[in-house]
Amino acid sequence: GAGVSQSPSNKVTEKGKDVELRCDPISGHTALYWYRQSLGQGLEFLIYFQGNSAPDKSGLPSDRFSAERTGGSVSTLTIQRTQQEDSAVYLCASSLHTGDYNSPLHFGNGTRLTVT
Amino acid sequence: SQQGEEDPQALSIQEGENATMNCSYKTSINNLQWYRQNSGRGLVHLILIRSNEREKHSGRLRVTLDTSKKSSSLLITASRAADTASYFCATDDYSGYALNFGKGTSLLVTP
Repeated sequence: GAGVSQSPSNKVTEKGKDVELRCDPISGHTALYWYRQSLGQGLEFLIYFQGNSAPDKSGLPSDRFSAERTGGSVSTLTIQRTQQEDSAVYLCASSLHTGDYNSPLHFGNGTRLTVT
Repeated sequence: SQQGEEDPQALSIQEGENATMNCSYKTSINNLQWYRQNSGRGLVHLILIRSNEREKHSGRLRVTLDTSKKSSSLLITASRAADTASYFCATDDYSGYALNFGKGTSLLVTP
């Protein structure tokens, strides 16, 4: 079946503009994650959704960042008033998290965001 | 927070040689996972080892886990040029929610 799909694959925006990044998880996956990867760095956790539970937003770096997940499926990560330091690859992942903490994550190919 | 830390940061070997990467972490875990990332792509899950396991094999991959030392190693045997990628370890921080990734080991396998 289809894997995790992210769009757009690349986004160039001017400083101060808002951007929306989209993630379509694997059908049936209840858990959805957003990570940020800066050049040469590891993955920085941003936010986690599990079913209908309140999301874990502990990784969001500022109040300019927000995310929602509609209908337990598609998720949108929004960055308001973008700054140059927001430039990074934003990765989405989903998993069959059913209370078993051992589910592997399935990643999309990411959205490369460049803020000029 | 980044809990896993891979070592070395970069590794260059020739085809046919074995590659060993290490991962250290800080707190108790339920499991530890290894992922691979090719340039410009997302991460791909390689192998998962539970906290009560000490060694696990998958094809040319061998993973060990030492919970007393809070460390894991990934061994790739008989490496191929196609193994060139970045390798990340990830731990669940015992909360079972977000996986915490390290900065990765960049592996280069030359023909």
